[in-house]
Amino acid sequence: DVVMTQSPLSLPVTLGQPAFISCKSSQSLVYTDGNTLLNWFQQRPGQSPRRLIYKVSNRDSGVPDRFSGSGSGTDFTLKISRVEAEDVGVYYCMQGRHWPLTFGQGTRLEIK
Amino acid sequence: QVTLRESGPALVKPTQTLTLTCTFSGFSLTTSGVCVSWIRQTPGKALEWLARIDWDDDEHYSPSLMARLTISKDTSKNQVVLTMTNMDPVDTATYYCARTVYTTLDFDSWGQGTLVTVSS
Repeated sequence: DVVMTQSPLSLPVTLGQPAFISCKSSQSLVYTDGNTLLNWFQQRPGQSPRRLIYKVSNRDSGVPDRFSGSGSGTDFTLKISRVEAEDVGVYYCMQGRHWPLTFGQGTRLEIK
Repeated sequence: QVTLRESGPALVKPTQTLTLTCTFSGFSLTTSGVCVSWIRQTPGKALEWLARIDWDDDEHYSPSLMARLTISKDTSKNQVVLTMTNMDPVDTATYYCARTVYTTLDFDSWGQGTLVTVSS
């Protein structure tokens, strides 16, 4: 299985400050069509996961532009430019390139 | 508006078979590229993909659970059913269904999840 390794696992952030979450995959996530199949999800307390970013850097509809994704190959980053209170929750990366589909362990973002 | 809703028993006994139903609306599983997966989340919060069924009847399973899983669809009812045999307390989790479009754009919509506890 492709292992998705996130860091840090816990991320205390001051309101208004940036936050960065790293995700590394054990294999390349480049698909046969040239796209890289790496997604980011947010799970707020008591809610289902919600996709924020697909194919590394594409924001889903309704996702604030303070969220951005970057990276290539096996190394990816989710950036929140200015953390707001509603961003508290757990963030997961997920690869859709190889079977079985796999998720990272999750990064818990909290307000300092 | 796309919606998915999971349903099934909240409590099952060890060794029993679990049957979960995902009822969806706002899309069709006959549309090319559309797929529905089952994903679970253990109390420790890890997300684990279990199985997927595609618009063209292809089925994909997690190798570690393949022997215990069966996924099926009823397009007339807009439902996807997952069965898991020989349930164990370690299978206690919240089970979600989620949609994929264009074959590779995974999990753009999720259900609210259903908590299944395995206990005697």
